[in-house]
This record gives sequence, C-alpha cells and structure tokens, in this order.
Amino acid sequence: DAGVTQSPTHLIKTRGQHVTLRCSPISGHKSVSWYQQVLGQGPQFIFQYYEKEERGRGNFPDRFSARQFPNYSSELNVNALLLGDSALYLCASSLPGPPGGYTFGSGTRLTVV
Amino acid sequence: TQLLEQSPQFLSIQEGENLTVYCNSSSVFSSLQWYRQEPGEGPVLLVTVVTGGEVKKLKRLTFQFGDARKDSSLHITAAQPGDTGLYLCAVGVSGTYKYIFGTGTRLKVLA
Repeated sequence: DAGVTQSPTHLIKTRGQHVTLRCSPISGHKSVSWYQQVLGQGPQFIFQYYEKEERGRGNFPDRFSARQFPNYSSELNVNALLLGDSALYLCASSLPGPPGGYTFGSGTRLTVV
Repeated sequence: TQLLEQSPQFLSIQEGENLTVYCNSSSVFSSLQWYRQEPGEGPVLLVTVVTGGEVKKLKRLTFQFGDARKDSSLHITAAQPGDTGLYLCAVGVSGTYKYIFGTGTRLKVLA
C-alpha cells in the first residue's frame, strides 16, 4: 500500500511568490494535517482537515491556506513568501479519534531566496 | 499553552551504550506518542502510550509513560548506528484536533 505521498520533494521560490504543496493520504484515511518544521525544531501544526472541512488551525498568518478534495487529497498554499517560510512542510494522515498517531509523508523542502 | 520539553537536546554516544531521553510537561495528557525522524524524511511513529505507568517495548527500545501522565521516557539498550535520528514526543491538545511536538532529541550513535 502506498504511504502518504507529497509533491514536490524540493522547491525553491523567490520572496513574494506563491507556492502550492500537495499531499495524498493513505487510502482509507480521511484526515490530513499539515506541519511546518524549521531546521532544528519539532514540527509546528498548521492545519487539519477532515472530510473536507477545516478542523483546526495553528498560529500561522492568513498567507497560509489549505483545502481538502473529495478524494481526501490536500493542498497547502502559501502566498507572499517570506525568507522565514523556508522549512520542511510535512503532511500527515490519520484515522479519526484518539489515541491517534500520524503517518507522515517525506515532506516538501521549501527554500525561499 | 501546553509545552513539551525534551532532554537532552543532543546526544552522541558509542555503539553498544545505553541511553535514556525524556519528554516532560506540566500538563496531564490522555496519550503520548514517540516518533523517530531521519534526515530528509518525515517522522515515523514508534509507539503510543495511553495509561499512566504504562511500559511498552519495541525490540531494544523501552517506552514509559509517567504515573501522572505528565512525562515519558525512551530508553535504548545497546544503541546501534541505525538508531541515529531525531526523537520526538507528541501529544494531542485536548479539545482540538492538533498535536504538539517537542523540540526533539538529536541522537548520533557512532560505530
């Protein structure tokens, strides 16, 4: 079975540009979460979607947005990129309910120059 | 805001040594997860602990959830170079759907 797949794997963008990152969850998983991991830190929660509805949002500016499609895949969009947005963006899928635990993709490494 | 503190931040040991890393908080949690992350990859779930005092073993790794469910430890016996990575603990935030991760312990096992 395929795990969580993310694309692209690496991306270089210029300040002020827009970026779209994509994620396909494990088959049967209806929940997708997005995390940002800056070098040397643990992942920081950005969004969670379940059944195409936003279930949670972290402390990120409105430049960050996301959506989930009927097939449960998801996109993370970031507008007006800043140098500080450079990070590993992780997508995770999970089954609903506690105790939970995620299956992560390998991430998209975004570099803003 | 719940905060997870992990210690030590960095650990470099020789192959065959034992080690323990810690995850601490002032809050009580219903469950806690441990993940290992290798460079260029996403974190991989190792274990979920849910009961105070619970001990789980995964080969040479032993996980313990504190009696008060505020802390956890991960003990590795006879560490191997393949154990090298970033070890992260994570908890669900009650009333929300998000998980908080600690800052991690970066382990390097030298051959």
